[in-house]
Amino acid sequence: AQTVTQSQPEMSVQEAETVTLSCTYDTSESNYYLFWYKQPPSRQMILVIRQEAYKQQNATENRFSVNFQKAAKSFSLKISDSQLGDTAMYFCAFMKYSGGGADGLTFGKGTHLIIQP
Amino acid sequence: NAGVTQTPKFQVLKTGQSMTLQCAQDMNHEYMSWYRQDPGMGLRLIHYSVGAGITDQGEVPNGYNVSRSTTEDFPLRLLSAAPSQTSVYFCASSLSGGGLFNTQYFGPGTRLTVL
Repeated sequence: AQTVTQSQPEMSVQEAETVTLSCTYDTSESNYYLFWYKQPPSRQMILVIRQEAYKQQNATENRFSVNFQKAAKSFSLKISDSQLGDTAMYFCAFMKYSGGGADGLTFGKGTHLIIQP
Repeated sequence: NAGVTQTPKFQVLKTGQSMTLQCAQDMNHEYMSWYRQDPGMGLRLIHYSVGAGITDQGEVPNGYNVSRSTTEDFPLRLLSAAPSQTSVYFCASSLSGGGLFNTQYFGPGTRLTVL
């Protein structure tokens, strides 16, 4: 079984600042995927960014980027030029590779990010 | 393209009542799953299905039943509701072709309260 740990229950930064959310995971799998999901007050789960473990290059999506350290089992999310709309719960999630098929996600407990005006 | 839809959005039950949470997707996704979200716990997998006629248990399956008769629909049944099942329930779906095709997309959730 795998576990996902988000050690920061809550973070608060000023608008336009850069913020990094941490995530570590524990697994014996060698092939897997990692995700960050955002959950605003509307409670909709929104995919932010995703990473395939076999790819060394860190994924980026506009203002969002990850720092993937496979050996350290670390998958942090960096948000640049933070905006008020980034205020939300952020969940890190792990999915093992299942012979080409999909599998369930294992989630961390989340980080509540607050962007202050 | 509506994506993943869930009904109802809110529901209040009494202990012992039964109900079905509905989930549908119009993206022709093979994989569908149900999660529950409790305060401070993140989301946990209840049941999942890799295609019509195939279902399996996740991390917290007790008290829930599922079936998958069509690709589009994946209902979650509570046969005898208990207060411990008070939670927010999310349905998710994805393709099943490997790689990032397996990225899961979530419905809007159902908030269930069992009194």
